[in-house]
Amino acid sequence: AQSVTQPDIHITVSEGASLELRCNYSYGATPYLFWYVQSPGQGLQLLLKYFSGDTLVQGIKGFEAEFKRSQSSFNLRKPSVHWSDAAEYFCAVGATGGFKTIFGAGTRLFVKA
Amino acid sequence: KAGVTQTPRYLIKTRGQQVTLSCSPISGHRSVSWYQQTPGQGLQFLFEYFSETQRNKGNFPGRFSGRQFSNSRSEMNVSTLELGDSALYLCASSLDQGAGQPQHFGDGTRLSIL
Repeated sequence: AQSVTQPDIHITVSEGASLELRCNYSYGATPYLFWYVQSPGQGLQLLLKYFSGDTLVQGIKGFEAEFKRSQSSFNLRKPSVHWSDAAEYFCAVGATGGFKTIFGAGTRLFVKA
Repeated sequence: KAGVTQTPRYLIKTRGQQVTLSCSPISGHRSVSWYQQTPGQGLQFLFEYFSETQRNKGNFPGRFSGRQFSNSRSEMNVSTLELGDSALYLCASSLDQGAGQPQHFGDGTRLSIL
């Protein structure tokens, strides 16, 4: 069955430090992979997506993610975190079999000054 | 270009009542999906509509239903409300149907059941 796992429920990083959010997926073929961000009281915003080709994808707000087929991972990275990056981040896989999109449980990012 | 608009933003109902939520997609987007977000279950897919037809459906009881109009606007209805239906309901639109389509989300309708 298709699934997405985000092992970290929450992460705290210092402003200016680098960030890596982990995501592992289970899927039978090459998946469609997404990262979304949700700020409090708002809907989700697409950060980046991977369909095929270059395994390192660039997104908005300085984020990037790397697809590693051998590890079934799609980790999100940012070299220098800003206080405004504090939010909840969701990894998702575009699913077949009727479920449209399967989301991970989310990782809440806290940024300390 | 205007984003996805959901109305109302907040709603309070009591058990046993029914509720209708509305979603206007981005202009030109033909697919509308609905999700339920709760602290315990996370984001759960409800259903997707495309060209006025339900294309996909998640694992929710028949009390949850929806429809899509010819202008792509969509409504979601929940009948016989239960306390467990308290959640943030998110609508998302995309240009087309299919698993690879990036989705654009509205800010949601927060439904509270008393």
